[in-house]
Amino acid sequence: QKEVEQNSGPLSVPEGAIASLNCTYSDRGSQSFFWYRQYSGKSPELIMSIYSNGDKEDGRFTAQLNKASQYVSLLIRDSQPSDSATYLCSHTGANSKLTFGKGITLSVRP
Amino acid sequence: DTEVTQTPKHLVMGMTNKKSLKCEQHMGHRAMYWYKQKAKKPPELMFVYSYEKLSINESVPSRFSPECPNSSLLNLHLHALQPEDSALYLCASSQDGGGGNEFADTQYFGPGTRLTVL
Repeated sequence: QKEVEQNSGPLSVPEGAIASLNCTYSDRGSQSFFWYRQYSGKSPELIMSIYSNGDKEDGRFTAQLNKASQYVSLLIRDSQPSDSATYLCSHTGANSKLTFGKGITLSVRP
Repeated sequence: DTEVTQTPKHLVMGMTNKKSLKCEQHMGHRAMYWYKQKAKKPPELMFVYSYEKLSINESVPSRFSPECPNSSLLNLHLHALQPEDSALYLCASSQDGGGGNEFADTQYFGPGTRLTVL
């Protein structure tokens, strides 16, 4: 079964710290990788997408992809209380079907 | 603009009712999706439409009936639902449903419809 594993949470970090969210996947055919943020009671919001090995930065967010090791991570620098949410790791294969991890809840302490 | 709209925001229905959920996007996307999400779980794919044709049905019970009238609209018709069908129903769209690159695969979600079945 093609699965996405996210490190167990919840994760709690102090305001201003770096939050590191990690994810591994089993499908070597996975092509595109996405991090979604979901606030309680709301729909998933795209935070980052990454397709190639290496790092991709957007503001305080950096996505890292290593296809050889089959992991993808999300770093949030200068974490803010507003970053407190559930983060969903996901990827697509050849048919664009999104496979989600279970999600990890991040709490940023003021 | 990456907006997907969904109506209604909330829906309460009895087990004998017939209702419909609606989804709309004007991004020129050719793939549209229905997901079901229960509390504290990730979204669960139900249906995929690619170029207005149903391409994936994840063995969803027939009491859920999808419809894609045109490339911008997606409906989900509901009939004889069970209380366990109560959930957040999410619509999403992407440039293309065929896969192959980050841009085409990126899915944008609507705000969802919170469904309660009594």
